[in-house]
Amino acid sequence: SQKIEQNSEALNIQEGKTATLTCNYTNYSPAYLQWYRQDPGRGPVFLLLIRENEKEKRKERLKVTFDTTLKQSLFHITASQPADSATYLCALPYSSASKIIFGSGTRLSIRP
Amino acid sequence: GAVVSQHPSWVICKSGTSVKIECRSLDFQATTMFWYRQFPKQSLMLMATSNEGSKATYEQGVEKDKFLINHASLTLSTLTVTSAHPEDSSFYICSARLGGSPGELFFGEGSRLTVL
Repeated sequence: SQKIEQNSEALNIQEGKTATLTCNYTNYSPAYLQWYRQDPGRGPVFLLLIRENEKEKRKERLKVTFDTTLKQSLFHITASQPADSATYLCALPYSSASKIIFGSGTRLSIRP
Repeated sequence: GAVVSQHPSWVICKSGTSVKIECRSLDFQATTMFWYRQFPKQSLMLMATSNEGSKATYEQGVEKDKFLINHASLTLSTLTVTSAHPEDSSFYICSARLGGSPGELFFGEGSRLTVL
């Protein structure tokens, strides 16, 4: 069955540094991958979508890569700020492609 | 962006009672909505896909008689937790997609259910 792994449960980095989060998947080939941000007690908020034929996608300080050979996506936040502290979830379509399943998330903490 | 509203944001009920959670798409029509459940410090688990005008599609292991889903209109889906027990206490979140796949999901604010 399809499986998504975000290999860091928590990540703590210094303000101003680049945060890099990893999402690995197995047993299927998704047409796209999404990243969401979730703050405590809130619903997730969509950040970026990258398609299988795209190697990289950028949005302001965010950058996402998608390596379909390695079955891996990397999510980068450059010039990180304390306000970036949150849980970041990667998500993939499966089954009929109308459904979205989520990874376990990485809790990112940016210390001043 | 599109707005999905969920109500109530939190509810406390006694064991054995039923609780209804509403999910509305405020500025768009959603033929499909998704219901997720999230335990503390865990990720979202898809419970079911709510289809307007037809029966919901439940994920494996989710009891459809326990978690009743109704999607009577293009802007409203409801989840009813029937005969709730303490183990049903969780964070329930609905979402809808604007347009077809691979569009982003818009999530409600979530409903925290505590069953005493």
